[in-house]
Amino acid sequence: SQTIHQWPATLVQPVGSPLSLECTVEGTSNPNLYWYRQAAGRGLQLLFYSVGIGQISSEVPQNLSASRPQDRQFILSSKKLLLSDSGFYLCACPKGVAGAGSEQYFGPGTRLTVT
Amino acid sequence: SQQGEEDPQALSIQEGENATMNCSYKTSINNLQWYRQNSGRGLVHLILIRSNEREKHSGRLRVTLDTSKKSSSLLITASRAADTASYFCATDANDYKLSFGAGTTVTVRA
Repeated sequence: SQTIHQWPATLVQPVGSPLSLECTVEGTSNPNLYWYRQAAGRGLQLLFYSVGIGQISSEVPQNLSASRPQDRQFILSSKKLLLSDSGFYLCACPKGVAGAGSEQYFGPGTRLTVT
Repeated sequence: SQQGEEDPQALSIQEGENATMNCSYKTSINNLQWYRQNSGRGLVHLILIRSNEREKHSGRLRVTLDTSKKSSSLLITASRAADTASYFCATDANDYKLSFGAGTTVTVRA
């Protein structure tokens, strides 16, 4: 089964500073990868997904970007953080080889607070 | 955009009681999934029910799906303190993405 690692676990950043969150996956190859954001007490908002190296689909126009430099690495970035970027960021990938419709494994998340 | 909507938003029950939460969605789906999230943690997959299934069981969990009403329910029987968590439904509309609801927060009192 897959294991998803995310770091850092928590991050406090000032407004206007850059951001880089990393997600790596073990136990599978060429997985679909997803970045979600969860505001306090809310559900998950899909931000980006990738079906392969260098391929990124953006779901919500915003201050963030994503990249997939390697098969099992997914990075979420921002050049200048906004207060509204605060939240809990989760990386996910489907179970097994399947893409659409599969159950998803989630990483432990990164708690980002923008001050 | 969020397609699934859970009801109620919050639920408080006594240990040993059953907990029921509902999920409604808007468009046709391939399957519907339920996840649990303990405070400050990632989500854990609980159960997946396909659009051609009506009921599914897993341990103390029972999920129903009514595609005519575009709704699903999750029943947790004989609840335990460890069941305290937020529960989310997620729908798959036959693409690469899941749409999550806002969740039901369940508190099980000892």
